[in-house]
Amino acid sequence: KAGVTQTPRYLIKTRGQQVTLSCSPISGHRSVSWYQQTPGQGLQFLFEYFSETQRNKGNFPGRFSGRQFSNSRSEMNVSTLELGDSALYLCLGTRDNNEQFFGPGTRLTVL
Amino acid sequence: DAKTTQPPSMDCAEGRAANLPCNHSTISGNEYVYWYRQIHSQGPQYIIHGLKNNETNEMASLIITEDRKSSTLILPHATLRDTAVYYCIVRSSNSGGSNYKLTFGKGTLLTVNP
Repeated sequence: KAGVTQTPRYLIKTRGQQVTLSCSPISGHRSVSWYQQTPGQGLQFLFEYFSETQRNKGNFPGRFSGRQFSNSRSEMNVSTLELGDSALYLCLGTRDNNEQFFGPGTRLTVL
Repeated sequence: DAKTTQPPSMDCAEGRAANLPCNHSTISGNEYVYWYRQIHSQGPQYIIHGLKNNETNEMASLIITEDRKSSTLILPHATLRDTAVYYCIVRSSNSGGSNYKLTFGKGTLLTVNP
């Protein structure tokens, strides 16, 4: 039903590298949020963007950043990757009627 | 977002109704109740949401108590494919389209048995 797309779906990087993940919400999703999911910590909020502006930010270091474009597409960047950054990164789009849909996620593995 | 409390696990027989409870005793007046489920390591799937009235869609029904301190997600005829972790969360109403931060607990692992 949802249609939120995330690319790439799988990614393998090494420590110290940087990565860019992309999220394309479906039509009507003006707000886009990013979450990190790991087995130990569960789902943790990274940040939220609305109308190209960051509206809310979680407790992650400055190595994690993001942005949103005028077409609502969003990217997140992680620089100087660490082993602990291995996780499923999820994008969440919200419609004005309060329906929210997650994308399938990008599974990042840091070696 | 207010905290929610869910049982860690539940079992249900295939074909029977699955009733998943959630307590959100500190919910405030403008906070919605949302339900998601997650199967294996896929992204969480939206199920339903509500404010104070009961809601029904093609997937499930949501019953919210009058005082809004608890709710129940009902899967009317559970199938094996409904085995998943079910998350109940509350979040502020959509103000100007802003998402606000969602706080997920550990959810309920629903196991549907044949």
